[in-house]
Amino acid sequence: DAGVIQSPRHEVTEMGQEVTLRCKPISGHDYLFWYRQTMMRGLELLIYFNNNVPIDDSGMPEDRFSAKMPNASFSTLKIQPSEPRDSAVYFCASSPRLGRKWETQYFGPGTRLLVL
Amino acid sequence: SQQGEEDPQALSIQEGENATMNCSYKTSINNLQWYRQNSGRGLVHLILIRSNEREKHSGRLRVTLDTSKKSSSLLITASRAADTASYFCAKSLSTGNQFYFGTGTSLTVIP
Repeated sequence: DAGVIQSPRHEVTEMGQEVTLRCKPISGHDYLFWYRQTMMRGLELLIYFNNNVPIDDSGMPEDRFSAKMPNASFSTLKIQPSEPRDSAVYFCASSPRLGRKWETQYFGPGTRLLVL
Repeated sequence: SQQGEEDPQALSIQEGENATMNCSYKTSINNLQWYRQNSGRGLVHLILIRSNEREKHSGRLRVTLDTSKKSSSLLITASRAADTASYFCAKSLSTGNQFYFGTGTSLTVIP
């Protein structure tokens, strides 16, 4: 398996522009997570999906952020409009269903976003 | 953080020495996991320990869990330069669907 795939790997954009980050989870995994990592705040869980359904989006910072998972093999995280404080590394992770609780999460390589 | 922290924040040791990192938490957990992150890369899962386990081993890694103290430790024995990375603990809470990463320990192994 190729692992979790994220694109783009790097994104530089100007304030006010729309940014779309993409993720392909590992085939067969039921859970998908979006995280944001910054020096100041560390690794934050933004939202997670179970079987394509958003379960908890309490970590999404503002209405400017939205995430979708139209099918089991694809998810997007959109920021509109983007702001400089959104600059961070965004990770996608997926996890198989084992029992009722999460087990190992498999992380993608991340997307480095810089908003000028 | 409401869910505890790792310590130390940074650790620098000589190759061949052992490295110990600690993780604390504040509420009951279902399991606790340790991850490694190399600079500029994603996180890689190292080991998972369940709440009813006290110790687990994987190669040069040894993880302990003390639920009475709400703490866990990761020991890397005979460290190598390639072990240089940030190490995070992640807690899966017993109640609800919450999963928290700590702030991480930055480990530098000097050749």
